[in-house]
Amino acid sequence: AQSVTQLDSQVPVFEEAPVELRCNYSSSVSVYLFWYVQYPNQGLQLLLKYLSGSTLVKGINGFEAEFNKSQTSFHLRKPSVHISDTAEYFCAVSDLAGGYNKLIFGAGTRLAVHP
Amino acid sequence: DGGITQSPKYLFRKEGQNVTLSCEQNLNHDAMYWYRQDPGQGLRLIYYSQIVNDFQKGDIAEGYSVSREKKESFPLTVTSAQKNPTAFYLCASSLGGSGYEQFFGPGTRLTVL
Repeated sequence: AQSVTQLDSQVPVFEEAPVELRCNYSSSVSVYLFWYVQYPNQGLQLLLKYLSGSTLVKGINGFEAEFNKSQTSFHLRKPSVHISDTAEYFCAVSDLAGGYNKLIFGAGTRLAVHP
Repeated sequence: DGGITQSPKYLFRKEGQNVTLSCEQNLNHDAMYWYRQDPGQGLRLIYYSQIVNDFQKGDIAEGYSVSREKKESFPLTVTSAQKNPTAFYLCASSLGGSGYEQFFGPGTRLTVL
Protein backbone atom coordinates (compact mmCIF):
# COMPACT_ATOMS: atom_id res chain seq x y z
CA ALA A 1 0.00 0.00 0.00
CA GLN A 2 1.11 3.50 -0.71
CA SER A 3 2.07 5.83 2.10
CA VAL A 4 3.23 9.40 2.53
CA THR A 5 5.64 10.55 5.22
CA GLN A 6 6.02 14.16 6.16
CA LEU A 7 9.26 14.21 8.05
CA ASP A 8 8.55 17.22 10.27
CA SER A 9 5.37 17.68 12.26
CA GLN A 10 6.23 21.31 13.05
CA VAL A 11 8.57 23.80 11.41
CA PRO A 12 9.21 27.17 13.10
CA VAL A 13 10.84 29.84 10.98
CA PHE A 14 11.40 33.58 11.05
CA GLU A 15 9.72 35.88 8.57
CA GLU A 16 11.64 36.35 5.28
CA ALA A 17 13.71 33.20 5.90
CA PRO A 18 13.64 30.27 3.44
CA VAL A 19 11.77 27.11 4.33
CA GLU A 20 11.64 23.51 3.15
CA LEU A 21 8.88 21.08 4.10
CA ARG A 22 9.87 17.50 3.46
CA CYS A 23 7.72 14.77 1.95
CA ASN A 24 8.60 11.19 1.05
CA TYR A 25 6.28 8.64 -0.51
CA SER A 26 6.39 4.92 -1.03
CA SER A 27 5.23 3.56 -4.32
CA SER A 28 6.40 1.05 -6.88
CA VAL A 29 4.33 2.58 -9.65
CA SER A 30 4.00 5.98 -11.21
CA VAL A 31 2.30 8.56 -9.06
CA TYR A 32 0.88 12.01 -9.12
CA LEU A 33 1.90 14.27 -6.23
CA PHE A 34 0.19 17.21 -4.56
CA TRP A 35 0.78 19.80 -1.87
CA TYR A 36 -2.22 21.34 -0.11
CA VAL A 37 -2.40 24.14 2.48
CA GLN A 38 -4.95 24.40 5.28
CA TYR A 39 -5.54 27.56 7.27
CA PRO A 40 -7.15 27.18 10.73
CA ASN A 41 -10.69 25.80 10.65
CA GLN A 42 -10.82 25.83 6.86
CA GLY A 43 -10.72 23.32 4.04
CA LEU A 44 -7.67 22.44 1.97
CA GLN A 45 -6.42 24.52 -0.94
CA LEU A 46 -4.14 23.18 -3.66
CA LEU A 47 -0.67 24.75 -3.72
CA LEU A 48 0.80 22.76 -6.59
CA LYS A 49 0.86 19.37 -8.26
CA TYR A 50 3.22 17.15 -10.20
CA LEU A 51 1.75 15.00 -12.96
CA SER A 52 4.61 14.65 -15.44
CA GLY A 53 7.28 16.66 -17.24
CA SER A 54 9.59 19.07 -15.46
CA THR A 55 10.52 17.90 -11.99
CA LEU A 56 10.44 21.46 -10.63
CA VAL A 57 6.86 22.55 -10.10
CA LYS A 58 5.83 26.10 -9.30
CA GLY A 59 2.65 26.81 -7.39
CA ILE A 60 0.70 29.63 -5.85
CA ASN A 61 1.95 32.05 -3.19
CA GLY A 62 5.59 31.66 -4.28
CA PHE A 63 5.87 27.98 -3.37
CA GLU A 64 7.67 25.39 -5.47
CA ALA A 65 8.41 21.69 -5.14
CA GLU A 66 10.87 19.29 -6.71
CA PHE A 67 9.98 15.74 -7.67
CA ASN A 68 12.84 13.31 -7.13
CA LYS A 69 11.96 9.85 -8.36
CA SER A 70 15.13 8.13 -7.19
CA GLN A 71 14.65 9.42 -3.65
CA THR A 72 10.83 9.18 -3.80
CA SER A 73 10.60 12.71 -2.46
CA PHE A 74 8.55 15.79 -3.21
CA HIS A 75 9.83 18.56 -0.94
CA LEU A 76 8.09 21.94 -0.79
CA ARG A 77 10.15 25.13 -0.69
CA LYS A 78 9.72 28.86 -0.44
CA PRO A 79 12.69 31.26 -0.59
CA SER A 80 11.16 33.87 1.73
CA VAL A 81 8.17 33.24 3.98
CA HIS A 82 5.59 35.67 5.30
CA ILE A 83 3.53 35.67 8.46
CA SER A 84 0.52 34.80 6.30
CA ASP A 85 2.15 31.47 5.34
CA THR A 86 1.48 30.18 8.85
CA ALA A 87 -0.72 27.14 8.23
CA GLU A 88 -0.69 23.36 8.00
CA TYR A 89 0.68 21.80 4.84
CA PHE A 90 -0.24 18.38 3.51
CA CYS A 91 1.56 16.27 0.96
CA ALA A 92 -0.57 13.75 -0.96
CA VAL A 93 -0.02 11.05 -3.56
CA SER A 94 -2.53 9.81 -6.11
CA ASP A 95 -2.52 6.12 -6.83
CA LEU A 96 -2.66 5.68 -10.59
CA ALA A 97 -3.46 2.00 -10.30
CA GLY A 98 -6.46 2.53 -8.09
CA GLY A 99 -9.02 3.09 -10.81
CA TYR A 100 -10.30 6.21 -9.14
CA ASN A 101 -8.90 9.45 -7.85
CA LYS A 102 -7.76 8.26 -4.42
CA LEU A 103 -5.41 10.56 -2.54
CA ILE A 104 -3.20 9.32 0.28
CA PHE A 105 -2.31 12.16 2.65
CA GLY A 106 0.63 12.65 4.95
CA ALA A 107 0.06 13.61 8.58
CA GLY A 108 0.76 17.26 7.86
CA THR A 109 3.45 19.81 8.76
CA ARG A 110 2.55 22.83 10.79
CA LEU A 111 4.52 25.87 9.58
CA ALA A 112 4.80 28.67 12.14
CA VAL A 113 6.27 31.91 10.83
CA HIS A 114 7.51 34.28 13.53
CA PRO A 115 8.20 38.03 13.17
CA ASP B 1 -18.99 31.38 -7.87
CA GLY B 2 -18.36 27.67 -8.20
CA GLY B 3 -17.38 25.72 -5.15
CA ILE B 4 -18.28 23.31 -2.40
CA THR B 5 -20.44 24.18 0.56
CA GLN B 6 -20.72 22.25 3.79
CA SER B 7 -23.24 22.79 6.53
CA PRO B 8 -23.38 23.27 9.38
CA LYS B 9 -19.94 24.66 10.23
CA TYR B 10 -20.25 23.44 13.84
CA LEU B 11 -22.41 20.57 15.03
CA PHE B 12 -22.99 19.21 18.50
CA ARG B 13 -24.47 15.81 19.10
CA LYS B 14 -25.45 13.79 22.09
CA GLU B 15 -24.21 10.24 22.33
CA GLY B 16 -26.54 7.79 20.64
CA GLN B 17 -27.86 10.26 18.06
CA ASN B 18 -27.41 10.07 14.32
CA VAL B 19 -26.46 13.30 12.56
CA THR B 20 -26.23 14.21 8.88
CA LEU B 21 -23.60 16.51 7.41
CA SER B 22 -24.43 18.28 4.20
CA CYS B 23 -22.13 18.66 1.18
CA GLU B 24 -23.14 20.41 -2.05
CA GLN B 25 -21.03 21.28 -5.10
CA ASN B 26 -21.79 23.31 -8.21
CA LEU B 27 -18.58 22.43 -10.05
CA ASN B 28 -20.26 19.74 -12.16
CA HIS B 29 -17.82 17.20 -10.77
CA ASP B 30 -18.60 13.50 -11.05
CA ALA B 31 -16.59 12.35 -8.04
CA MET B 32 -17.17 13.29 -4.42
CA TYR B 33 -15.41 12.30 -1.21
CA TRP B 34 -15.72 12.47 2.56
CA TYR B 35 -12.66 12.69 4.79
CA ARG B 36 -12.20 12.73 8.51
CA GLN B 37 -9.41 14.84 10.01
CA ASP B 38 -8.01 14.28 13.49
CA PRO B 39 -5.06 16.20 14.97
CA GLY B 40 -1.73 14.77 13.83
CA GLN B 41 -3.29 12.14 11.57
CA GLY B 42 -3.85 13.91 8.29
CA LEU B 43 -6.99 13.08 6.32
CA ARG B 44 -8.57 9.65 6.17
CA LEU B 45 -11.08 8.64 3.51
CA ILE B 46 -14.52 7.63 4.77
CA TYR B 47 -16.54 7.17 1.55
CA TYR B 48 -16.27 8.17 -2.06
CA SER B 49 -18.60 8.28 -5.02
CA GLN B 50 -17.54 8.30 -8.65
CA ILE B 51 -21.01 8.70 -10.10
CA VAL B 52 -24.62 9.26 -9.07
CA ASN B 53 -26.24 6.31 -7.26
CA ASP B 54 -22.90 4.65 -6.65
CA PHE B 55 -20.52 4.92 -3.72
CA GLN B 56 -17.73 2.91 -2.15
CA LYS B 57 -16.29 2.51 1.33
CA GLY B 58 -13.01 4.17 2.07
CA ASP B 59 -10.52 3.30 4.76
CA ILE B 60 -12.68 4.12 7.81
CA ALA B 61 -16.32 3.61 6.75
CA GLU B 62 -17.54 1.84 9.90
CA GLY B 63 -20.22 3.87 11.68
CA TYR B 64 -20.87 6.12 8.67
CA SER B 65 -23.33 6.04 5.77
CA VAL B 66 -23.77 8.12 2.61
CA SER B 67 -26.11 8.58 -0.33
CA ARG B 68 -25.61 10.03 -3.81
CA GLU B 69 -29.03 10.67 -5.31
CA LYS B 70 -27.97 13.84 -7.12
CA LYS B 71 -24.71 14.80 -8.78
CA GLU B 72 -24.43 17.95 -6.67
CA SER B 73 -25.06 16.39 -3.27
CA PHE B 74 -23.25 13.83 -1.11
CA PRO B 75 -24.55 13.86 2.49
CA LEU B 76 -22.76 11.95 5.23
CA THR B 77 -24.59 10.42 8.19
CA VAL B 78 -22.63 9.77 11.34
CA THR B 79 -24.47 6.99 13.13
CA SER B 80 -24.52 6.02 16.78
CA ALA B 81 -22.32 3.06 15.82
CA GLN B 82 -19.35 5.38 15.26
CA LYS B 83 -17.37 5.01 18.47
CA ASN B 84 -15.42 8.25 18.37
CA PRO B 85 -17.16 10.70 16.06
CA THR B 86 -15.69 13.96 17.37
CA ALA B 87 -13.59 15.25 14.46
CA PHE B 88 -13.36 17.72 11.59
CA TYR B 89 -15.13 16.42 8.48
CA LEU B 90 -14.14 17.54 5.00
CA CYS B 91 -16.01 17.01 1.77
CA ALA B 92 -14.23 17.15 -1.59
CA SER B 93 -15.01 16.75 -5.26
CA SER B 94 -13.07 16.21 -8.46
CA LEU B 95 -13.54 15.56 -12.13
CA GLY B 96 -12.73 11.94 -11.46
CA GLY B 97 -9.90 9.79 -12.64
CA SER B 98 -6.35 9.96 -11.42
CA GLY B 99 -4.41 13.18 -11.48
CA TYR B 100 -7.31 15.58 -11.12
CA GLU B 101 -7.20 18.03 -8.26
CA GLN B 102 -9.66 17.49 -5.44
CA PHE B 103 -11.49 20.64 -4.35
CA PHE B 104 -12.38 20.87 -0.68
CA GLY B 105 -15.25 22.40 1.22
CA PRO B 106 -14.74 24.49 4.39
CA GLY B 107 -15.47 21.56 6.71
CA THR B 108 -17.84 20.70 9.55
CA ARG B 109 -16.58 20.34 13.10
CA LEU B 110 -18.59 17.68 14.93
CA THR B 111 -18.46 17.44 18.70
CA VAL B 112 -20.14 14.69 20.68
CA LEU B 113 -21.23 15.81 24.11
